[in-house]
Amino acid sequence: IAGITQAPTSQILAAGRRMTLRCTQDMRHNAMYWYRQDLGLGLRLIHYSNTAGTTGKGEVPDGYSVSRANTDDFPLTLASAVPSQTSVYFCASSDSGTENTGELFFGEGSRLTVL
Amino acid sequence: GQNIDQPTEMTATEGAIVQINCTYQTSGFNGLFWYQQHAGEAPTFLSYNVLDGLEEKGRFSSFLSRSKGYSYLLLKELQMKDSASYLCAVTDSNYQLIWGAGTKLIIKP
Repeated sequence: IAGITQAPTSQILAAGRRMTLRCTQDMRHNAMYWYRQDLGLGLRLIHYSNTAGTTGKGEVPDGYSVSRANTDDFPLTLASAVPSQTSVYFCASSDSGTENTGELFFGEGSRLTVL
Repeated sequence: GQNIDQPTEMTATEGAIVQINCTYQTSGFNGLFWYQQHAGEAPTFLSYNVLDGLEEKGRFSSFLSRSKGYSYLLLKELQMKDSASYLCAVTDSNYQLIWGAGTKLIIKP
């Protein structure tokens, strides 16, 4: 099935632990994004990648890192999780590259709780 | 600063029409999106406006006035499945996508 796959769907972890959220797309889109969504706030961009091999910081990058070794995969890592990182994380992709005029395709989300 | 404003919550009746407004103040403008998000699910694309005017797509229409920094999403013949949050997002001059907090639409029978 074409689209974006995120894993895990849900995770509870202790503060201080390292966690990687996985994201894979099979649409051959150049651009990929990680957002977090918190109640009462709009989606906030954490990191993005306009093409394989490049990444950039979004609005709220602190405490997160990403890599883009190939077109399909864009993992998000929390090096040392803190409770304020409790959120729903969405991975998204688009085929518009640096010109953000294209439709975003979202994964189903990863609900992360940090205790 | 950059800002997108939408009502937090709206209620409407099945079969009726509802208009969800979005106003924006951004550094430049390169397009406005509307997305639908059902509870616990991912956002899905509804519409994109870059020029002034009304774009109609079935029961959903989206309007844009760039001079007023204003858009609305019009939903006709409301169905129970339209109960969802509707997210407004604007692309600024740097092609950064700025998101509103979303409007939760509740449909009553």
